[in-house]
Parts: sequence; structure tokens; C-alpha cells
Amino acid sequence: RKEVEQDPGPFNVPEGATVAFNCTYSNSASQSFFWYRQDCRKEPKLLMSVYSSGNEDGRFTAQLNRASQYISLLIRDSKLSDSATYLCVVRPPNTGGFKTIFGAGTRLFVKA
Amino acid sequence: EAQVTQNPRYLITVTGKKLTVTCSQNMNHEYMSWYRQDPGLGLRQIYYSMNVEVTDKGDVPEGYKVSRKEKRNFPLILESPSPNQTSLYFCASSRSGANVLTFGAGSRLTVL
Repeated sequence: RKEVEQDPGPFNVPEGATVAFNCTYSNSASQSFFWYRQDCRKEPKLLMSVYSSGNEDGRFTAQLNRASQYISLLIRDSKLSDSATYLCVVRPPNTGGFKTIFGAGTRLFVKA
Repeated sequence: EAQVTQNPRYLITVTGKKLTVTCSQNMNHEYMSWYRQDPGLGLRQIYYSMNVEVTDKGDVPEGYKVSRKEKRNFPLILESPSPNQTSLYFCASSRSGANVLTFGAGSRLTVL
């Protein structure tokens, strides 16, 4: 089993739709969690950190479920500009906070 | 402008010909890291550096070397490149630890 797994998609949704992605992680002691966004052939950019209590940033909501070992990203009112690959990132335990594990990403296409 | 700069952006080389990919950041970040991205595998960590003269292996260090003689620079060295090192490489930095990462634009390397 991969340490971090994501549904590769693609998710094809119309503008205005709500879409959600999940990301599962295998090590229950994992510490920090993030969502990054990567546009085609570009570098990843931080979208948001994921806090234990869940957090929201505009149309984006991130949640952590430690019991089931997954994090989620919810995008409301999808825009064409949301089309990208969304990468889940986990910091494993016992690495001093210096290692990162990236999921392979979930591709999202938002259509007019 | 705060940024991470990688060079070269594109390189085609032949097996066994030593090459160096440079990475420089202007944010006075302590932490720097190298990743490679391959289809279906996501980003995998090659090496990271917690500070000047302090480096450690990531998940896929074989065939690579790094050095951190100055805070701003973290070059990736391929002593004897092989075709399985054909990949898209990203350098990243953060203030401390693998938290909010700022990525360079990427270096696409092809080894024939």
C-alpha cells in the first residue's frame, strides 16, 4: 500500500459545481497535512494547510479525519481557473519534520 | 521578488556525462529540498538540507549527490546520469522544516 494515496481522476465538473477529493495516508502517526495545487507543467503551490479542526479559505475547505486516516478537500462553486492537479502532502512521524510524502495527485477539469 | 531559481530548465544529456542542476533561493530559508516527479508517482524526495552543511537522504537518493555550502544554494549533482533519471526535478525551500514549501519552476532532464 502506498503511504499516501489519491484518486487520480480526472474529475470533470461543470462550472459552479461542488467537488470533493480525498487522500488517504497509511501512517497513523503522521503529523502535518497540506494541499498543493499544480498547474500543467508548472511547479506545485501551497493551496492550504490542513488543521485538526478543519479549516476554510474562501471556496476551499480542508478536513482531517484521523480515525479513518484521510484528509479531504472540498471546492465549492468551481471556477474554470480551478482546473489543475491537486496534491496531497503528508509529513511522516519520526523525521524531525524534514521529510514529505506527496500523493500522485488528483486531476480536476472544470468545464464551462 | 521572493523566489527559488533552478537552472537549467531543460537539459538533454547522455548516459554517464556528469551534470549539475543549480538551485538558489533569495528568502534566507534554512530548509531546502530536491524532488523528482514522474507520471503516476507524484513527487518523490531525493535529498534535503536543514541548514548549511547539513543534508540528509530522502526516499530516492541513489545516483544523486547534493551539497549545501551556502544558505542560498543547494545544487543537485548527477555524477553518472542514467536513463532512469530522466524526470522533472523540483527544488523547494521553506523557512524551517518541510512546512510551507516554495518551489522552483522545475528542470526537465532527459538522459539518452
